[in-house]
Amino acid sequence: LAKTTQPISMDSYEGQEVNITCSHNNIATNDYITWYQQFPSQGPRFIIQGYKTKVTNEVASLFIPADRKSSTLSLPRVSLSDTAVYYCLVCDKEDDKIIFGKGTRLHILP
Amino acid sequence: EAGVAQSPRYKIIEKRQSVAFWCNPISGHATLYWYQQILGQGPKLLIQFQNNGVVDDSQLPKDRFSAERLKGVDSTLKIQPAKLEDSAVYLCASKNTDSPDAQYFGPGTRLLVL
Repeated sequence: LAKTTQPISMDSYEGQEVNITCSHNNIATNDYITWYQQFPSQGPRFIIQGYKTKVTNEVASLFIPADRKSSTLSLPRVSLSDTAVYYCLVCDKEDDKIIFGKGTRLHILP
Repeated sequence: EAGVAQSPRYKIIEKRQSVAFWCNPISGHATLYWYQQILGQGPKLLIQFQNNGVVDDSQLPKDRFSAERLKGVDSTLKIQPAKLEDSAVYLCASKNTDSPDAQYFGPGTRLLVL
């Protein structure tokens, strides 16, 4: 499983767009990039998954460049309730196993 | 659709005591996982079940931890005897084999070993 590197923490303000970048230099051909969100006292929650270019859902967008060695999770117009830990994961869809790093602690300020 | 259920939500025990956690996955999810999450870290996989069979238990400390999923639905994770370093949140997750995008996590059981 490819190792990922992401910032330990980030601060932003309500209404701003937040971009969290993750590097995964050793990503394999069959690997997908997946992001989870975890609020205090809750289990992680799946946000978005992508293989290349751009994926968008009701929560976030995921940008993946052509070389796939990095990816950026974009949260539009964040609110205080987006304060959470965000985990970037790289995994083979055929492999049921995922490995969590330490994640990025995002703190949204009023 | 009901989510993954776990109980108890909190447990305080003394070292060398035993403790058990229970998980009820989302209906129809064949794959079930137990994770340990120590404060400030990401979840660490302890064991993975496919139906009632163990797929991966390579990171389960088998001298003190055990888990079972007898009928391929509910699962229990047991620690006997507990150590101080077992203080953590124990998360259960399940996944639908036909929709492999995401694991669905329960709220976790917070264990404090004194």
